[in-house]
Amino acid sequence: GQQVMQIPQYQHVQEGEDFTTYCNSSTTLSNIQWYKQRPGGHPVFLIQLVKSGEVKKQKRLTFQFGEAKKNSSLHITATQTTDVGTYFCAGLKGDSWGKLQFGAGTQVVVTP
Amino acid sequence: SQTIHQWPATLVQPVGSPLSLECTVEGTSNPNLYWYRQAAGRGLQLLFYSIGIGQISSEVPQNLSASRPQDRQFILSSKKLLLSDSGFYLCAWSVQYRPNYGYTFGSGTRLTVV
Repeated sequence: GQQVMQIPQYQHVQEGEDFTTYCNSSTTLSNIQWYKQRPGGHPVFLIQLVKSGEVKKQKRLTFQFGEAKKNSSLHITATQTTDVGTYFCAGLKGDSWGKLQFGAGTQVVVTP
Repeated sequence: SQTIHQWPATLVQPVGSPLSLECTVEGTSNPNLYWYRQAAGRGLQLLFYSIGIGQISSEVPQNLSASRPQDRQFILSSKKLLLSDSGFYLCAWSVQYRPNYGYTFGSGTRLTVV
């Protein structure tokens, strides 16, 4: 079945530094979504990528969808303490009706 | 605007007791509905999804069941809880036939089975 792998599982970042989390699928995706879950909270939808090679930015967050639509990345610049949380990617296959396959998430810890 | 309500927020139940978690969505019709479980520090496991009243699909064999008695109501149940049922249960909805709008999650129920 479809597998969505996410690395790294944990990311310790010094405040002000940049980091990237990666998402890889074993199959081609129709789109990929990213979610953020703050500690103790619930996942919140951040963005969706649909087109091959698409790049979208939200302030310090840059999301990219691979050319083959099998991988994606989230790059955060100048990390802040507000970036703490777990970031999940979730892939959707064209024939999966609407059932997202979530990655295991990258837990981000920011040290001042 | 659309809202999703999930309750209770926390629950401590003894092994062997029944369970009923409820989720309701407001401000939309015919939503896709989902139940997820998240173990501590782990990812999201899809338990059930529903595309309409009485239409439930199970993703993982388990001690749980789900029902959708009304269009915007989704219930997660168990007749006898196991210790392994502990976790963070999340209900979510998405626009039917437009999954690219993203999922909206409820605030979740933290279940501890003792």
